[in-house]
Amino acid sequence: GAVVSQHPSWVICKSGTSVKIECRSLDFQATTMFWYRQFPKQSLMLMATSNEGSKATYEQGVEKDKFLINHASLTLSTLTVTSAHPEDSSFYICSARTSGRNTGELFFGEGSRLTVL
Amino acid sequence: DAKTTQPPSMDCAEGRAANLPCNHSTISGNEYVYWYRQIHSQGPQYIIHGLKNNETNEMASLIITEDRKSSTLILPHATLRDTAVYYCIVRVGNNFNKFYFGSGTKLNVKP
Repeated sequence: GAVVSQHPSWVICKSGTSVKIECRSLDFQATTMFWYRQFPKQSLMLMATSNEGSKATYEQGVEKDKFLINHASLTLSTLTVTSAHPEDSSFYICSARTSGRNTGELFFGEGSRLTVL
Repeated sequence: DAKTTQPPSMDCAEGRAANLPCNHSTISGNEYVYWYRQIHSQGPQYIIHGLKNNETNEMASLIITEDRKSSTLILPHATLRDTAVYYCIVRVGNNFNKFYFGSGTKLNVKP
């Protein structure tokens, strides 16, 4: 299957700092990527849809000024957690879909674990 | 997208078939059934998907009832490495629809 890579895989930061997480589609172009958040022992929660060359669309209840998403190219989307606080500590996962004639499955990155002290 | 209901957990003996059920009674005619699994602290892994017909690949088989209101994912010979949370998702199969995850089923494969 297609490969989606995230970086960093884990990060620890101080409260009040901003953290950027990258999501790359390694062997395909992705006009759309999705960002999820997962708390311990819970399911994945969709945060936002990242669209190449346009603004991201956020799910209800997700603060767009808190979670900045940039999708500057067909292979890269970034999620920046601004002024992070301990409650933002979570597992962040991105996904992307291959375009073209396909059945539409999503491929997921390995996830990035954020710990805010 | 239609909502799915899955049992919270299931046990399976190693080497035996694991049959994971999913109810999606409100599924509409153009919605596909997708199965993903998530091994602890990793991103979800695609397993299989289908619309009406039963499907099989190297990982699993997907059995969809004739009325499409439920489906079963079958892992024919479960191994310890198949221990994971399995998610059943229904969505319209085009390029712009999102995947919403339910609570999934934790499959415990035991020696």
